[in-house]
Amino acid sequence: KAGVTQTPRYLIKTRGQQVTLSCSPISGHRSVSWYQQTPGQGLQFLFEYFSETQRNKGNFPGRFSGRQFSNSRSEMNVSTLELGDSALYLCASSLGGFAGELFFGEGSRLTVL
Amino acid sequence: GDSVTQMEGPVTLSEEAFLTINCTYTATGYPSLFWYVQYPGEGLQLLLKATKADDKGSNKGFEATYRKETTSFHLEKGSVQVSDSAVYFCALSEEVNDMRFGAGTRLTVKP
Repeated sequence: KAGVTQTPRYLIKTRGQQVTLSCSPISGHRSVSWYQQTPGQGLQFLFEYFSETQRNKGNFPGRFSGRQFSNSRSEMNVSTLELGDSALYLCASSLGGFAGELFFGEGSRLTVL
Repeated sequence: GDSVTQMEGPVTLSEEAFLTINCTYTATGYPSLFWYVQYPGEGLQLLLKATKADDKGSNKGFEATYRKETTSFHLEKGSVQVSDSAVYFCALSEEVNDMRFGAGTRLTVKP
């Protein structure tokens, strides 16, 4: 079956702009998590959605937001972009149970100039 | 809060060498522990996991044992191959899908 699909794969924005990233989970998966990966901070948890509800949230400012649609697809939005937001944003889907395996997409690489 | 510390890389080994990547964790409760692997240009893939103390996870020749007394989950493989070259992440999860990752260890295996 198809894996986790993230779009776009690469994008370049300038400071102050906003960006929306999209994630299509594996069919049947109801949980979608988002992570930020940078060389300096590693992998950091942003938030997790299950059945359109945010269940968990990491330690990121309010400029980072997300949502999940009824078909489990998810989007994350970053407003007022800063240089430090340059990163690989990874989406992962799972069935939603405790300690279940996460299936990751290939990521969206954001560069902020 | 919960956290994972893993040995810094990069690690460079010759083919057929023995691999150990150390991982220790801090948690308030009883987390599940994971090793994920990231091959170049790809997302992370689950390599193995253990959900309770003394469990051993294994896959593709890799093994790790959940040691509660030492709060460790070291990754081992008896004989590495060039195709094992990747970045390895130790991770824990106490809450649903709130996965905490270590910094990652880059492994390069030379023929």
